[in-house]
Amino acid sequence: NAGVMQNPRHLVRRRGQEARLRCSPMKGHSHVYWYRQLPEEGLKFMVYLQKENIIDESGMPKERFSAEFPKEGPSILRIQQVVRGDSAAYFCASSGGVRSSYNEQFFGPGTRLTVL
Amino acid sequence: DQQVKQNSPSLSVQEGRISILNCDYTNSMFDYFLWYKKYPAEGPTFLISISSIKDKNEDGRFTVFLNKSAKHLSLHIVPSQPGDSAVYFCAAREGYDRGSTLGRLYFGRGTQLTVWP
Repeated sequence: NAGVMQNPRHLVRRRGQEARLRCSPMKGHSHVYWYRQLPEEGLKFMVYLQKENIIDESGMPKERFSAEFPKEGPSILRIQQVVRGDSAAYFCASSGGVRSSYNEQFFGPGTRLTVL
Repeated sequence: DQQVKQNSPSLSVQEGRISILNCDYTNSMFDYFLWYKKYPAEGPTFLISISSIKDKNEDGRFTVFLNKSAKHLSLHIVPSQPGDSAVYFCAAREGYDRGSTLGRLYFGRGTQLTVWP
């Protein structure tokens, strides 16, 4: 049973470019969460999605950031016009599978975004 | 506003001894607590969890204790092994927010555990 998949693992962008981060949840999971980790800090919640629905985006910056989880395909976190402060590790987690506990979130390996 | 706090950034323990990692929280709405272990350049790995209706949960070498009145939890690893060296994150979740049990997690900043031979 494959775990949470994220790609790319590393992404380098110049200021002003767009970054697209992809996340495929564990098989059977229908709930996806995105977190961001800045250097020397813990993970900070950004957004919680179910298929075709944003459930909670209270942790997402109001501008330049968006997320989706379409009916088919992976969840996408999109950052427009990136700035140096967006450099961080972005982690995706999933939960809610029929055969797993609904309480635990399982994390992917992360995408490390570097903005030059 | 840090609602989950891990006040010790690092802990060093000899192999075979007990490791005790501590975590405090401020939000009385938290009803579920989790510990994750993280190696460099990898995602967090779920370790053990505890519901607020319990005060202890054990899984092999790992035991989590919850003291609700003190808003404090701890993770005990006995015996500690060099492979346990990693960053340990404490996380918590609010209960039944917006009718869903699957809400966001709040994380502490982590404690770097080093187990030396």
